[in-house]
Formats: sequence, structure tokens, C-alpha cells
Amino acid sequence: GAGVSQTPSNKVTEKGKYVELRCDPISGHTALYWYRQSLGQGPEFLIYFQGTGAADDSGLPNDRFFAVRPEGSVSTLKIQRTERGDSAVYLCASSLFGLAKGTYNEQFFGPGTRLTVL
Amino acid sequence: QQQVKQSPQSLIVQKGGISIINCAYENTAFDYFPWYQQFPGKGPALLIAIRPDVSEKKEGRFTISFNKSAKQFSLHIMDSQPGDSATYFCAANYNFNKFYFGSGTKLNVKP
Repeated sequence: GAGVSQTPSNKVTEKGKYVELRCDPISGHTALYWYRQSLGQGPEFLIYFQGTGAADDSGLPNDRFFAVRPEGSVSTLKIQRTERGDSAVYLCASSLFGLAKGTYNEQFFGPGTRLTVL
Repeated sequence: QQQVKQSPQSLIVQKGGISIINCAYENTAFDYFPWYQQFPGKGPALLIAIRPDVSEKKEGRFTISFNKSAKQFSLHIMDSQPGDSATYFCAANYNFNKFYFGSGTKLNVKP
């Protein structure tokens, strides 16, 4: 595709509900990252996939957050029992080889999904 | 503990002036320092990056200055233009691990 796409662009939900955020990376990119960006802050790392497996999930704040990438392409970030503090822009990025290839590959970011928990 | 500290939070510069944004880091293992530019409603985009084995890198109007002993690096935007108005983030990374971002600087270039 032309770039990283994320759907939906905006999601409003009620406290306690379950949400799924989708990321379509650039075709052929093996690495995929999820970040969370709160208002006035820089992106905060959540999880990194190399292919289908989560290579580093150390940024997931708690067990309410989970992400999958079953076929090594599209990824879904899942948030259970949402809380008001989960409100943020969730960014997805992809890169050609990822962090383990031995070189720094540029991360291409999507436009993000703005999540609002009421 | 915040791994990368960025300042100022906001910056107003006249067209044609020099914009300077500073970042400081704690972890001496960091070995890659990129700068990202973000426009409203868009994701960050890589602007320029540097490794600690050089003290300066220039790409067009954008320059990174790196001071390893002080654990600081900065972005200089020469001949700033209104189209440069955006939020800028510094970041750091080591040994191909996750990236740590600064808190961002909102730049406004006045025409």
C-alpha cells in the first residue's frame, strides 16, 4: 500500500467496554510497532512484532492490553475493560526489517487512532 | 524515569530565523538518535538521525549537533519557514531495542 493505515481514525467508547484498533502496515514490512501518544507527549512504546511474533511487549501497561498479528501483516491492538486513562492516540508504525536485522530501518507511522473513553 | 528530556515545550521563530530544539539523555548505551516531525492529525515522520560517532550531521536546512560528553543533542532548523511549523520529537535507541521519545516541541514559524 501507499503507507501505513489505521482504522478507525476515531473511536469513542464507554468505560468498561472492549475495543479493537487495526493497523495495516506497508506491504512487505516485516516489523510492526504500536505506540500510545497522550496529549502533549511523545509516543510511548507498547509492543513490537517481528513477523507474527511479539518480539518485545514490555511497553504494554497491563494485562488489559493485548495485540496480535496472526499472518505477519495486519495487526490488531485489543483493549479490554477500557478506562478513562486509556484515552490517547494509538500509533502504528512499520519498517522493512525491524530492529534485529543489524541496521536501523526507518519506521513509517500511520495517522493514528484517537481513542476516547467516556 | 524519563529516558529522554526535550526542551523547550514550545518555540516561536520568525521566518528566516534559526530554530533550536534540545534533548538530553541518561542512558550512555544509546547509539542512535533520530528526530521526527509531526503535523496535526498525522503520524511522526523521520526527519534526520545521527549516531554518536559523529558530532554533527546536516541534511539541507536541518542539522543535528551531538555532544557525547554532555549527553545532549540538538536539532537546528536554518532559514525556518512557516511550513516547518509542526511538533518535533527527539528519540533514542540502543542495541536495536525499542525507541524512547522526548515529550515534543511545538514550533510556530511566524511569516
